[in-house]
Amino acid sequence: AQSVSQHNHHVILSEAASLELGCNYSYGGTVNLFWYVQYPGQHLQLLLKYFSGDPLVKGIKGFEAEFIKSKFSFNLRKPSVQWSDTAEYFCAVNSPLYNQGGKLIFGQGTELSVKP
Amino acid sequence: DAGVIQSPRHEVTEMGQEVTLRCKPISGHNSLFWYRQTMMRGLELLIYFNNNVPIDDSGMPEDRFSAKMPNASFSTLKIQPSEPRDSAVYFCASSQGGGAYGYTFGSGTRLTVV
Repeated sequence: AQSVSQHNHHVILSEAASLELGCNYSYGGTVNLFWYVQYPGQHLQLLLKYFSGDPLVKGIKGFEAEFIKSKFSFNLRKPSVQWSDTAEYFCAVNSPLYNQGGKLIFGQGTELSVKP
Repeated sequence: DAGVIQSPRHEVTEMGQEVTLRCKPISGHNSLFWYRQTMMRGLELLIYFNNNVPIDDSGMPEDRFSAKMPNASFSTLKIQPSEPRDSAVYFCASSQGGGAYGYTFGSGTRLTVV
């Protein structure tokens, strides 16, 4: 079955540490890829997205993600995290082949806690 | 742009009561999605609409759940009768072009069924 996997359930970092959150998907063919962030008590907000072109995508707040087609991965990175990055991060995939109408399939989420 | 507007923000109801959640998508968006978020199951897609027509309701947990989109600017998600296991945060999201370019989420409705 098609799925999106985020292998890290909870990540704890100190401020200024580098971040990498993993995301893998099992869809073949063309995919559109997204990272969303959910700050405590708030709704999901789009961090960045990839449709085509340069596989290194830059988003808001210093986040970036790299699409590696051969690995079916779209990992999220940030060189230096801040306490305000404490949130839950969701990877999502849209597969035109498998998901009619453009629905997004979300991963389980990764909770990031940044210690000041 | 006011974004996706959901009401109410919080709802506490007794088991067996009918609950209606409301959503106003962003003007011009032609797709609308209802999600449920719980600690145990994460984000689950319940149903989505394209151009006011339900496309996929396979995520609706049971017949107690129903959703409508009578026009392009309004959708409801109804639970009748409600049960404690329905307690969750319900998000509505909208998008243009079927959602393939990402969604804009509303602030959610936190439902507690006691």
